[in-house]
Amino acid sequence: DQQVKQNSPSLSVQEGRISILNCDYTNSMFDYFLWYKKYPAEGPTFLISISSIKDKNEDGRFTVFLNKSAKHLSLHIVPSQPGDSAVYFCAASASGGGADGLTFGKGTHLIIQP
Amino acid sequence: NAGVMQNPRHLVRRRGQEARLRCSPMKGHSHVYWYRQLPEEGLKFMVYLQKENIIDESGMPKERFSAEFPKEGPSILRIQQVVRGDSAAYFCASSSGLKETQYFGPGTRLLVL
Repeated sequence: DQQVKQNSPSLSVQEGRISILNCDYTNSMFDYFLWYKKYPAEGPTFLISISSIKDKNEDGRFTVFLNKSAKHLSLHIVPSQPGDSAVYFCAASASGGGADGLTFGKGTHLIIQP
Repeated sequence: NAGVMQNPRHLVRRRGQEARLRCSPMKGHSHVYWYRQLPEEGLKFMVYLQKENIIDESGMPKERFSAEFPKEGPSILRIQQVVRGDSAAYFCASSSGLKETQYFGPGTRLLVL
């Protein structure tokens, strides 16, 4: 049972345009969400996060939106640049207890075309 | 570079051998997490440790896998009697505390022949 879903395995966007990556979750206990970027043969790199008490968080070209009622979040990258080509993972965690492991989606491969 | 360090980066083992993966957390971090990534999959949480304590091992296979984070030295993920299905990328992450951002190392790619 996949609790974090990224339904688009890949996404192709023209350089300079907006990239929108989507993520859905099923566990209503999740209250903290993160996006990571990963290049081949490297570890995931933290991009941006959002707490469930917010619906938007912005950091430079990256903005994450959270819609709790729809259990949906999205990452917007604008303008998209060639170096943004990578696999993007959505991750979530739940409060409570000592458990702090992240639950990851399967990733979306973003390809920025010149 | 004070990032999360993992070694070796690549490890080849034959079936039945033992694999030891090491992780040194970022400076100032006392929380360590291990994840496994199978091909075409996302990362799957395995275990969460603080110094000398296993906090959550709900993602660890019940047999052959163990983890430790001693008072001194790196965290170790140990896989005994490896099988081909253990072939994967194993990532370690560290954080400065509960619910703080986790920063990942470059991973160890284990190949079992």
